[in-house]
Amino acid sequence: AAGVIQSPRHLIKEKRETATLKCYPIPRHDTVYWYQQGPGQDPQFLISFYEKMQSDKGSIPDRFSAQQFSDYHSELNMSSLELGDSALYFCASEVSSYNEQFFGPGTRLTVL
Amino acid sequence: AQKITQTQPGMFVQEKEAVTLDCTYDTSDQSYGLFWYKQPSSGEMIFLIYQGSYDEQNATEGRYSLNFQKARKSANLVISASQLGDSAMYFCAMREGEGGDYKLSFGAGTTVTVRA
Repeated sequence: AAGVIQSPRHLIKEKRETATLKCYPIPRHDTVYWYQQGPGQDPQFLISFYEKMQSDKGSIPDRFSAQQFSDYHSELNMSSLELGDSALYFCASEVSSYNEQFFGPGTRLTVL
Repeated sequence: AQKITQTQPGMFVQEKEAVTLDCTYDTSDQSYGLFWYKQPSSGEMIFLIYQGSYDEQNATEGRYSLNFQKARKSANLVISASQLGDSAMYFCAMREGEGGDYKLSFGAGTTVTVRA
């Protein structure tokens, strides 16, 4: 069965650089979520999209932005990277009105 | 305020034994859902089991069962017949509201180590 795809799986950036993380949800899933998991921490919700519209926003820095495209894939854009942005970034997708969020494998971002 | 509390940072369990992971939650919503995820050292988040607030029966999925005590606001995960591959971090999570498009709030997690 198709799963959530995230790319890249690993990313190394320098401070003040930009990064773009991509997420391809499971086909026919209409909702996408982004979570950030710092080292030794639980995942924290960043932002979500339903039918290509932003539906909810969590503790996402102003330096970050995200969007969902017409093919339902989503991108998380991160600018002016800081050391503290080093984390595992998960994308999850679901069919709204269903009760399971399927997580992608995550993108491990390291900021040097 | 913390919505999900997992009080056990780490646990050891003998292979083939059962283990219970504690989870308590805090919500004023009548409709909510509780989830357990497994995160091995490789990092992926693996869905294990779901319990809806209106579900009268405790959820079960293979060796996983959820001991749902609504009045106590607890949703403990029981893993029966532990296997070495069960060694991982386990997260309890909650979504508030009905249906989809609601973010998950996670607990701090419990690390389970299965000993041979």
